[in-house]
Amino acid sequence: QQQVKQSPQSLIVQKGGISIINCAYENTAFDYFPWYQQFPGKGPALLIAIRPDVSEKKEGRFTISFNKSAKQFSLHIMDSQPGDSATYFCAATTSGTYKYIFGTGTRLKVLA
Amino acid sequence: DAGITQSPRHKVTETGTPVTLRCHQTENHRYMYWYRQDPGHGLRLIHYSYGVKDTDKGEVSDGYSVSRSKTEDFLLTLESATSSQTSVYFCAIRDLALGGTEAFFGQGTRLTVV
Repeated sequence: QQQVKQSPQSLIVQKGGISIINCAYENTAFDYFPWYQQFPGKGPALLIAIRPDVSEKKEGRFTISFNKSAKQFSLHIMDSQPGDSATYFCAATTSGTYKYIFGTGTRLKVLA
Repeated sequence: DAGITQSPRHKVTETGTPVTLRCHQTENHRYMYWYRQDPGHGLRLIHYSYGVKDTDKGEVSDGYSVSRSKTEDFLLTLESATSSQTSVYFCAIRDLALGGTEAFFGQGTRLTVV
């Protein structure tokens, strides 16, 4: 029940295309869903996050779509660029528990 | 980088030897975490701390211990390193000033146990 399932494991997208990464969870107590971006040799960095009281959040080319009834959320990267090539992790947590549960990661490669 | 420094950045050690990794933060954050990152597993929580001398276990705590005698330092110790502990270790802090939810990560320590 504590797992966050992430797919796909890897993704190749042409420059200018849309990258879509999906995550699913079981624990309905989760109330904060961040996405992290990680470049090789670096630590994960917070990219964008959403709470379940909204269905979508957009920041620049990055959008989180949230489906509370299906217990799913996804990251959309519009107009994907080679500089977006990185590993992306979804995560979930419950306020007050201080613990994050991470997905297994998606390695994105954007072809020039 | 939220003022997080991990040391060492790289270490090779032999099976059976003790190893201590250090996480140092400069911004007086209360919550600190140790994660390990392995292919196919994402990031898994080893131990976390919610204050000086206040620590608790995460999901993969076997073989690891931690200590936090000062707010700024969170130490992770492998008492007797095994090859299964070869991994990249990340320290993270939680920034209450941003609403208490965001976690920020250090640069990581790549540990190889031979």
